[in-house]
Amino acid sequence: SAVISQKPSRDICQRGTSLTIQCQVDSQVTMMFWYRQQPGQSLTLIATANQGSEATYESGFVIDKFPISRPNLTFSTLTVSNMSPEDSSIYLCSVDRAADTQYFGPGTRLTVL
Amino acid sequence: GNSVTQMEGPVTLSEEAFLTINCTYTATGYPSLFWYVQYPGEGLQLLLKATKADDKGSNKGFEATYRKETTSFHLEKGSVQVSDSAVYFCALKGRNNNDMRFGAGTRLTVKP
Repeated sequence: SAVISQKPSRDICQRGTSLTIQCQVDSQVTMMFWYRQQPGQSLTLIATANQGSEATYESGFVIDKFPISRPNLTFSTLTVSNMSPEDSSIYLCSVDRAADTQYFGPGTRLTVL
Repeated sequence: GNSVTQMEGPVTLSEEAFLTINCTYTATGYPSLFWYVQYPGEGLQLLLKATKADDKGSNKGFEATYRKETTSFHLEKGSVQVSDSAVYFCALKGRNNNDMRFGAGTRLTVKP
């Protein structure tokens, strides 16, 4: 398995502001993933973050809204920019481990007023 | 593309009842299949997985068998406990990519 931590665990933000979420893994990984889970919904992949290259975004998600950094093999950040109430969600990072299994962080619960 | 269809909830059971949560999938090739559990206020935890046809994943009394002929991966538990109350997600991952697809999730409530 993997030990994954996220900061902050939750936040309440004002419309129009930005929040950066951090994800730290206990060992080096090639790929990290960012997901969004809207209230009562399933998970939707936002982007895949590789160290040393730009993140790959899924359809419906753009870099200007969700910039991602991946400065090294154990850390990534996701920024939610110019927030609106529709951005209220749980944001989760995950990593691939042996046998193609993804392990998830505890999530960041974001509320936008 | 790949997709997962999961039994809609919510599901409410009494303690010690038998649980089945249905999951079927559509995929090209031979994906790996997973069940994740999300307890209230927490992130997702891997519950069990199966990587090839006829494999049975099991953990904490839960089981699921990879059925290629019916493209299914139903989750079962013989006797549920109050502590099993959570949201359960079925998921698949394609063999040659990192594309993970999740079902809609099934909320289980177990009453004493």
